[in-house]
Amino acid sequence: DIQMTQSPASLSASLEEIVTITCQASQDIGNWLAWYQQKPGKSPQLLIYGATSLADGVPSRFSGSRSGTQYSLKISRLQVEDPGIYYCLQGYSAPYTFGAGTKLELK
Amino acid sequence: QVQLQQSGAELVKPGSSVKISCKASGYTFTSYDMHWIKQQPGNGLEWIGWIYPGNGNTKYNQKFNGKATLTADKSSSTAYMQLSSLTSEDSAVYFCAIGKFAYWGQGTLVTVSS
Repeated sequence: DIQMTQSPASLSASLEEIVTITCQASQDIGNWLAWYQQKPGKSPQLLIYGATSLADGVPSRFSGSRSGTQYSLKISRLQVEDPGIYYCLQGYSAPYTFGAGTKLELK
Repeated sequence: QVQLQQSGAELVKPGSSVKISCKASGYTFTSYDMHWIKQQPGNGLEWIGWIYPGNGNTKYNQKFNGKATLTADKSSSTAYMQLSSLTSEDSAVYFCAIGKFAYWGQGTLVTVSS
């Protein structure tokens, strides 16, 4: 199975701050990487797909990048509605696997 | 617009089975894999498997072989997941999702308790 190592596990940041979350894949997954935001009691919402493509309706302050088997989600200017838990997902091969999640809070 | 409407919360006894549903609308039901995902309280997300409603083909995470059974009813555009021999470890929220996880249902809470 492909392991997705996500870091950090938790993060506290101020409004307008730049935030970066990373996922390291245990093997090559190409661009088959998606990022999600989940709020309490809700289902995960797609932010980024194909490692770098912004999902419909997602603010442009969210962006994704790839360097080899390391993938990053960047929030360029943290807003009050951005706290939640962020997950990465590899959709390259089954069993599809998620990162353990990053809990983002406002400082 | 794509909508996935899941069935309501279930309280079930250890050793029993439960069948939860995911009713799809807003797209061609038979054209997309339907995935199922498990989320235990305070824990992350775990992929259970998918079913392709067009022909009934399935693929499971080996961890859920014998635990989960995926089916689909084309006439009602509804996918089902049956969980068997339930234990406390099966207490979780279960999601359905399509479009390579682009669209998700709202989740169904299953609580296993005597």
